[in-house]
Amino acid sequence: GQNIDQPTEMTATEGAIVQINCTYQTSGFNGLFWYQQHAGEAPTFLSYNVLDGLEEKGRFSSFLSRSKGYSYLLLKELQMKDSASYLCAGMDSNYQLIWGAGTKLIIKP
Amino acid sequence: IAGITQAPTSQILAAGRRMTLRCTQDMRHNAMYWYRQDLGLGLRLIHYSNTAGTTGKGEVPDGYSVSRANTDDFPLTLASAVPSQTSVYFCASSDAPGSTDTQYFGPGTRLTVL
Repeated sequence: GQNIDQPTEMTATEGAIVQINCTYQTSGFNGLFWYQQHAGEAPTFLSYNVLDGLEEKGRFSSFLSRSKGYSYLLLKELQMKDSASYLCAGMDSNYQLIWGAGTKLIIKP
Repeated sequence: IAGITQAPTSQILAAGRRMTLRCTQDMRHNAMYWYRQDLGLGLRLIHYSNTAGTTGKGEVPDGYSVSRANTDDFPLTLASAVPSQTSVYFCASSDAPGSTDTQYFGPGTRLTVL
């Protein structure tokens, strides 16, 4: 079957670094997406990885290991506005997104 | 540019009633999607459309129907609502179907079926 696993909730301190992990099992693989979703709002695109390695985009970076079925999202210099849910989604061979339940990130001052 | 709009923002509906959720995009995207989001679960695909005039079933299509008469609009209809359809519904679109193009989401419709 297809499955995406990520922690339900994480807490971090303003100014710190946090890593949100995601493991995936999909029928075929066409890449791994990360989205950010603030409470009561729509998901918004953060990153896409299809090759192994780290993609850096400002304070946010995303890593992929296809052999391990593993990805992480790294958030640096945390700000209060980063409090949100982070959704991991794997794209299967039919180009359908399989979504994790999301990781709620709580930032404390 | 509005992107994707959805209506209504929220709705309380009696069980057994018919309801249509509206979705309109102005990005001229070919592909459109309907998801539902429930607490503790990931987004689940209800129906999708790769281009105007075609639709397909997602993971949880039962109790829902869609149509795609033109590029911009993709309404979702609940023929006879049941309490298990209480959820937040998101419409999304992407440029090219069957590709890794990013999906862009509308603001969502919060539906409660009593």
